[in-house]
Amino acid sequence: GAVVSQHPSRVICKSGTSVKIECRSLDFQATTMFWYRQFPKQSLMLMATSNEGSKATYEQGVEKDKFLINHASLTLSTLTVTSAHPEDSSFYICSARHVRAGETQYFGPGTRLLVL
Amino acid sequence: KNQVEQSPQSLIILEGKNCTLQCNYTVSPFSNLRWYKQDTGRGPVSLTIMTFSENTKSNGRYTATLDADTKQSSLHITASQLSDSASYICVVSVLSGNTPLVFGKGTRLSVIA
Repeated sequence: GAVVSQHPSRVICKSGTSVKIECRSLDFQATTMFWYRQFPKQSLMLMATSNEGSKATYEQGVEKDKFLINHASLTLSTLTVTSAHPEDSSFYICSARHVRAGETQYFGPGTRLLVL
Repeated sequence: KNQVEQSPQSLIILEGKNCTLQCNYTVSPFSNLRWYKQDTGRGPVSLTIMTFSENTKSNGRYTATLDADTKQSSLHITASQLSDSASYICVVSVLSGNTPLVFGKGTRLSVIA
């Protein structure tokens, strides 16, 4: 149990386009989902916390208008990178917190974004 | 400032050998400590989780220790296999606050034949 999926697993796009990444909790309900970004040889950096039915809370330095987060249901959160630029190229990982599992987070497999 | 430091940054060992990875943290208030394994291009997978009162926990060939007094943890891998090659990340949970998890940068382990 406690499986989190992400789609797509990798995406290549042109500079200036928008990219949407989906995060789904497959076998449990997640009141909270987290979005992380990981650059090569670096640790995961929290971008934002997404609560179902409410606005996301963004970490300092993360532009909310650039990284749009929608958490419309207890099993789905989406991250849209708007007007992507090469510096947005990174590994994006989501995690979901089980409603009844306290603070335990289950991580998705990640999405590799390459902006040309 | 809440921080998690891991050492070494990278490690190369021969297949079949044992190794120990270190994690020091300055996180308060402490909730729990987890070790994750992250394969290249994949998301982290939990190996062990320990609360304040637990000193050691095993998961197959992985054994984690925790010294809450010195704020140190270690992950011992026994009889390493080629598939153990990955990054091992130490993650400490904060009991309260807006940022619940503090991540270390990880130790990159390479097991060679």
